[in-house]
Amino acid sequence: EPEVTQTPSHQVTQMGQEVILRCVPISNHLYFYWYRQILGQKVEFLVSFYNNEISEKSEIFDDQFSVERPDGSNFTLKIRSTKLEDSAMYFCASSTTRRTGNQPQHFGDGTRLSIL
Amino acid sequence: KQEVTQIPAALSVPEGENLVLNCSFTDSAIYNLQWFRQDPGKGLTSLLLIQSSQREQTSGRLNASLDKSSGRSTLYIAASQPGDSATYLCAVWDDKIIFGKGTRLHILP
Repeated sequence: EPEVTQTPSHQVTQMGQEVILRCVPISNHLYFYWYRQILGQKVEFLVSFYNNEISEKSEIFDDQFSVERPDGSNFTLKIRSTKLEDSAMYFCASSTTRRTGNQPQHFGDGTRLSIL
Repeated sequence: KQEVTQIPAALSVPEGENLVLNCSFTDSAIYNLQWFRQDPGKGLTSLLLIQSSQREQTSGRLNASLDKSSGRSTLYIAASQPGDSATYLCAVWDDKIIFGKGTRLHILP
């Protein structure tokens, strides 16, 4: 069964550094998402992306964050200047329909980001 | 503001028992509701998606129900097995997707 893949599985970065998290969504999916889960807390929506632009974003997704689909397969999340509170598990997801549709989102295994 | 609550936070049951996990949400104007499973250190696996016009969905030993008017959903697991041990998350979609904190389920062999 096709799956969403994320790399790296664990990223350790110094505070203030830029980090790029990578995702390869399922090939025929059109809607892409990033979420984060701080240890012990709920999964939180960050951003959704469709047709090469952001369709929705949460208040967490501030100017430090950006997303890109640089080619036909990758979907990236960039954090420009990392802070300690950015330490979390970051999940990528994809689906064939929007949140109002009848198809589920499929999640990757996540990237654990640790900011020192 | 939409709030999603899952009770209990943790549950241990002997293998073979049937069990029910609960999810409640404060705003009934949702598009759909999705149940996920999360294994330690892993991503989320979609179990069932119920659209707002539906009352329930079934997949194998799992049955999820949705009562929009009362703001509740249940996930029923029949004949539980040790492999069912995981955290089960409920998420509702309105303007954005809102997750509950999950129920940590442990099936005792």
